[in-house]
Amino acid sequence: AQSVTQLGSHVSVSEGALVLLRCNYSSSVPPYLFWYVQYPNQGLQLLLKYTSAATLVKGINGFEAEFKKSETSFHLTKPSAHMSDAAEYFCAVSEPGGGNKLTFGTGTQLKVEL
Amino acid sequence: DGGITQSPKYLFRKEGQNVTLSCEQNLNHDAMYWYRQDPGQGLRLIYYSQIVNDFQKGDIAEGYSVSREKKESFPLTVTSAQKNPTAFYLCASAGRSSGNTIYFGEGSWLTVV
Repeated sequence: AQSVTQLGSHVSVSEGALVLLRCNYSSSVPPYLFWYVQYPNQGLQLLLKYTSAATLVKGINGFEAEFKKSETSFHLTKPSAHMSDAAEYFCAVSEPGGGNKLTFGTGTQLKVEL
Repeated sequence: DGGITQSPKYLFRKEGQNVTLSCEQNLNHDAMYWYRQDPGQGLRLIYYSQIVNDFQKGDIAEGYSVSREKKESFPLTVTSAQKNPTAFYLCASAGRSSGNTIYFGEGSWLTVV
């Protein structure tokens, strides 16, 4: 069975500061990993995905994530936070050949302060 | 525009009533999914369908039913057997054109009154 743990349900950063959102996974096979962002009362938008190619994945809006197999992690980073980054972020895992079923973490609410 | 359309956006249900949430996609995706979102719990899979006329239970299927009579449509019925139906429901789809990445609709809020 696969699972995802997101450390920190709420993260607060200053505008212009580094954003780091943590995600650890467990999977019985090499997984596919995803980060999604959700704005209030909206659906989820894909930020980036890892599917066993380059371990450093660049996504939209300046976000990137690095797959570290030894640490079973897929942390999301952005060098400089912007007010528009305030949203909820979800890490998700799927197993290749598993019907594309995603297992989600519980989410991290990012607050950006002036 | 291509995309996933969910309706209605907001729905109120009286206890004991069944309600159906609509999900339509024009992306030609083979697979469709229904997730439920509750605060602090992330998203949980209710049902999914990988092909027309076939669907499988997800992790929390009790009290829900679905059909997949057409490729573009995957309606979800929340039955009176669902004990705690108030939640945000998200429909999603995936296919070859999306590299099998799952994309989501805008969601539907269901409130039991």
